[in-house]
Amino acid sequence: DGGITQSPKYLFRKEGQNVTLSCEQNLNHDAMYWYRQDPGQGLRLIYYSQIVNDFQKGDIAEGYSVSREKKESFPLTVTSAQKNPTAFYLCASLGPGNTIYFGEGSWLTVV
Amino acid sequence: GQQVMQIPQYQHVQEGEDFTTYCNSSTTLSNIQWYKQRPGGHPVFLIQLVKSGEVKKQKRLTFQFGEAKKNSSLHITATQTTDVGTYFCAGLYSGGGADGLTFGKGTHLIIQP
Repeated sequence: DGGITQSPKYLFRKEGQNVTLSCEQNLNHDAMYWYRQDPGQGLRLIYYSQIVNDFQKGDIAEGYSVSREKKESFPLTVTSAQKNPTAFYLCASLGPGNTIYFGEGSWLTVV
Repeated sequence: GQQVMQIPQYQHVQEGEDFTTYCNSSTTLSNIQWYKQRPGGHPVFLIQLVKSGEVKKQKRLTFQFGEAKKNSSLHITATQTTDVGTYFCAGLYSGGGADGLTFGKGTHLIIQP
């Protein structure tokens, strides 16, 4: 089935540690996005990429980094510079009619 | 940047009552979309409205796009426990799209049986 696969679904990070969240899509979509969602809150854009080897900062990019070496893949690294990383992270892509397709999300907790 | 305001943030209803959430933009939207996120899940696309004054229905859900294309509403008739979740509107601005949609903060629908 076509879709967006995020892994891991649950991740625990120690203080000072970098972690990478994986996002893979087989929908052949050009644009991909990372959103952060805090409990009971809306979606905030971290980074987006319109095309391979290009990406742009969103509203809350500080403490995060991304890469887009392949069309199918858009991994997000949460660095130690992100002081409050505990959240639900959603990867998404932009499909026909400008509709957003979301992955199932990854829960990151700092321990 | 562009903002889409969505109200209310939370809505408690008794099962069988109606529910409405509203979205408003200060500038004209190219289109507006609605998403539903079940508790513990991810947002799922419901519908897209493009034309001024457009009204679309999906069973008990009615979606409206304002004449000025600045506001939209989602109305659920006779809520059921399966309607529980967070409903997001997301607007696309003319000439935009590069950074995707601008999401409202969502309305959390809580249903008491």
